Amino acid sequence: AQSVTQLDSHVSVSEGTPVLLRCNYSSSYSPSLFWYVQHPNKGLQLLLKYTSAATLVKGINGFEAEFKKSETSFHLTKPSAHMSDAAEYFCVVSDRGRNAGNMLTFGGGTRLMVKP
Amino acid sequence: SQTIHQWPATLVQPVGSPLSLECTVEGTSNPNLYWYRQAAGRGLQLLFYSVGIGQISSEVPQNLSASRPQDRQFILSSKKLLLSDSGFYLCAWNFGSGDNEQFFGPGTRLTVL
Repeated sequence: AQSVTQLDSHVSVSEGTPVLLRCNYSSSYSPSLFWYVQHPNKGLQLLLKYTSAATLVKGINGFEAEFKKSETSFHLTKPSAHMSDAAEYFCVVSDRGRNAGNMLTFGGGTRLMVKP
Repeated sequence: SQTIHQWPATLVQPVGSPLSLECTVEGTSNPNLYWYRQAAGRGLQLLFYSVGIGQISSEVPQNLSASRPQDRQFILSSKKLLLSDSGFYLCAWNFGSGDNEQFFGPGTRLTVL
């Protein structure tokens, strides 16, 4: 079984300051991990993914995440927040190759607010 | 390249009326297809998925049904809408192998009055 916990439902930062969105996962097998972003009334867009290659994953718009197996974490970071980063962010896990239908398990989401 | 379409973009329906939401994927063959619902202020709930034409798996019992009449077409339906069916409906697809990454459509906002 797999599960995802996003530790903060809301995060507020000032423009130009670092962003940290926390995610812990549980998986019985080698997981694939993803971060998606959703702007209001829009679909989900993939920010980055981890699939057993490099543990530090770089994504779009300056975001990156580090896979830490010992901590079962996959936190999302960005050095400097921009107003356009304000959105809902979802951490997602999938058990690669062991998952009929290739289904994803979503965290509850973190709403990022960016203050000017 | 692949694209995914959903329509309508928004829909307002009375309680008890039928529903049909359509999702189509272009640029790929035999994708896995998924329907999700996102209630206000909440995460995504997987409703149905399909690994092939005519093959539908339901994740939760509910007032909705899904069909896949063609390889790249996925339809979400209801015979009689409930107030609780309101939400944002997202269709997604993936290649069915590899990294399991899913690609999402733009969504349909359904309001049941």
